[in-house]
Amino acid sequence: KQEVTQIPAALSVPEGENLVLNCSFTDSAIYNLQWFRQDPGKGLTSLLLIQSSQREQTSGRLNASLDKSSGRSTLYIAASQPGDSATYLCAVRPSGNTGKLIFGQGTTLQVKP
Amino acid sequence: SQTIHQWPATLVQPVGSPLSLECTVEGTSNPNLYWYRQAAGRGLQLLFYSVGIGQISSEVPQNLSASRPQDRQFILSSKKLLLSDSGFYLCAWSVGGYTEAFFGQGTRLTVV
Repeated sequence: KQEVTQIPAALSVPEGENLVLNCSFTDSAIYNLQWFRQDPGKGLTSLLLIQSSQREQTSGRLNASLDKSSGRSTLYIAASQPGDSATYLCAVRPSGNTGKLIFGQGTTLQVKP
Repeated sequence: SQTIHQWPATLVQPVGSPLSLECTVEGTSNPNLYWYRQAAGRGLQLLFYSVGIGQISSEVPQNLSASRPQDRQFILSSKKLLLSDSGFYLCAWSVGGYTEAFFGQGTRLTVV
């Protein structure tokens, strides 16, 4: 059974710091991995999608990496800003065509001005 | 561009009452559609998914049901709500089963 773990559960950093959020999964048989952002009481916003054949994806100040064989992904946020404060969720899509996602519990990030 | 709509945004319902949450997607055809629930202190859990009209798959046994009466409409229902049905319900869509998933803004359901 696929399990997804995110460490740390919460993180507080001063503005301007570079930071790394971690995601690990137990079964390497995945089709892809997706990172999301969730603001309090809101839905999920897709940040990055990494296919299983890819090593990393970049969007602006965000960079996500994937090491499928070791069951790990990281989300790197450069030059953090208070507006980055949110919960970050990673989700893996197991091989198969249903498209269902298995989520981690998330990392809640607070960036202090 | 594609958009997803969910309503209502919040709902307070008494135990034993019925439930109907609606989700519609615009700007795409034959999407895969999903209902997830996010309970306090727990991660997002997939409840139902649909790969086409009338095709519903249930992931976990529960008090809820889903229907897809039209290509871009997905409905979550219950005949009699339980306290344990409280949570944040999210609808999502993707093109096929391999592409990026997009989520709606969610419905906060409180059963009292």
